[in-house]
Amino acid sequence: DTAVSQTPKYLVTQMGNDKSIKCEQNLGHDTMYWYKQDSKKFLKIMFSYNNKELIINETVPNRFSPKSPDKAHLNLHINSLELGDSAVYFCASGQGAWSPLHFGNGTRLTVT
Amino acid sequence: GESVGLHLPTLSVQEGDNSIINCAYSNSASDYFIWYKQESGKGPQFIIDIRSNMDKRQGQRVTVLLNKTVKHLSLQIAATQPGDSAVYFCAKRGGGADGLTFGKGTHLIIQP
Repeated sequence: DTAVSQTPKYLVTQMGNDKSIKCEQNLGHDTMYWYKQDSKKFLKIMFSYNNKELIINETVPNRFSPKSPDKAHLNLHINSLELGDSAVYFCASGQGAWSPLHFGNGTRLTVT
Repeated sequence: GESVGLHLPTLSVQEGDNSIINCAYSNSASDYFIWYKQESGKGPQFIIDIRSNMDKRQGQRVTVLLNKTVKHLSLQIAATQPGDSAVYFCAKRGGGADGLTFGKGTHLIIQP
């Protein structure tokens, strides 16, 4: 069973479009996250959600919006996609301050 | 500001040798550190973690050393195997619901 799963794995779209990436975790964790990995492999946190409340919102454009219908899901909506949004996006979940995060296998977004 | 960095972007080792990957962190209140392994096309995978009240922690073929005096973290992999080829990240986390701060990653290459 996949602990953290995200779909789609690949997403190719044109500038200006709106797209969503879905994430689900079956670990029962309280907190979920979205990370962005750039072409140089650098991982940076975008959002975290704890019990449906946004805990961290890093300086990302407001075109990006996380939505959590329940504790097991945290979806990422992106409006008006730009070329610079091309990256790999990772969903993760965690429980407590002293345990590691568990990551999904990523969604490679390509904006043309 | 807080940061986590790695000394080398690429490390090449002979199969069967031991590998040591290093990481330095800046002055921070974080007292929990994690090593992740990322294989091509996959998400970061937890390897081992350590709290600041420890200097050393061992897992299966891996050891993490923490030197708080010089703010240095290392990952030792014993008897490196081809399957160890990946990008390795150190990361740190503070208390609460904040996310992980990642270093830039070291690409471990295994020579036959």
